[in-house]
Amino acid sequence: QQQVKQSPQSLIVQKGGISIINCAYENTAFDYFPWYQQFPGKGPALLIAIRPDVSEKKEGRFTISFNKSAKQFSLHIMDSQPGDSATYFCAASTSLRWTGANNLFFGTGTRLTVIP
Amino acid sequence: NAGVTQTPKFQVLKTGQSMTLQCAQDMNHNSMYWYRQDPGMGLRLIYYSASEGTTDKGEVPNGYNVSRLNKREFSLRLESAAPSQTSVYFCASSEREGYSTDTQYFGPGTRLTVL
Repeated sequence: QQQVKQSPQSLIVQKGGISIINCAYENTAFDYFPWYQQFPGKGPALLIAIRPDVSEKKEGRFTISFNKSAKQFSLHIMDSQPGDSATYFCAASTSLRWTGANNLFFGTGTRLTVIP
Repeated sequence: NAGVTQTPKFQVLKTGQSMTLQCAQDMNHNSMYWYRQDPGMGLRLIYYSASEGTTDKGEVPNGYNVSRLNKREFSLRLESAAPSQTSVYFCASSEREGYSTDTQYFGPGTRLTVL
């Protein structure tokens, strides 16, 4: 069972447009929501993250919107550029304090293509 | 500072063969992880090591074993490879055990094909 549901699977956006990727979760024990960016042939890398006590976080052209009551969060990429073409994963994390490791659950990924 | 390194980058195995995927980090992190990435499935946790000397199962541990050799190194072993284990394998590390806000840093991955 997928702990974090992500949509769309793929997205094509014109240069300068807004890219929006949506995620939803059920487990209220999640207490941290990062987004990872992955370029072809590379490992995922942290892009931006948010905690559930905040409704929005912005870093440059990237914004996370978080709706705690709906258990949904989304990534907005403003002024999308061809260099943003990558696969984006939302994730949710919970501290497994009885084992001592944090555990990261990933969405299925969105392949973004930004057309020049 | 190389971060997280993985070897090999690519590997082709025949069904039933065994192999070990190697991972090392130079960031003095306590926790290390092994994930597999399959199309349409995202990344799924295979095993993790909260700290040196401890390992535990993740979401999809069947068919795998791990060894936390020391604080730097965490290896993943396939004892008898099966076609279902064809995947891209990522190793990751994070600084502290038990902190969900700690960033996980990923290696470049190993692309494994089992024929």
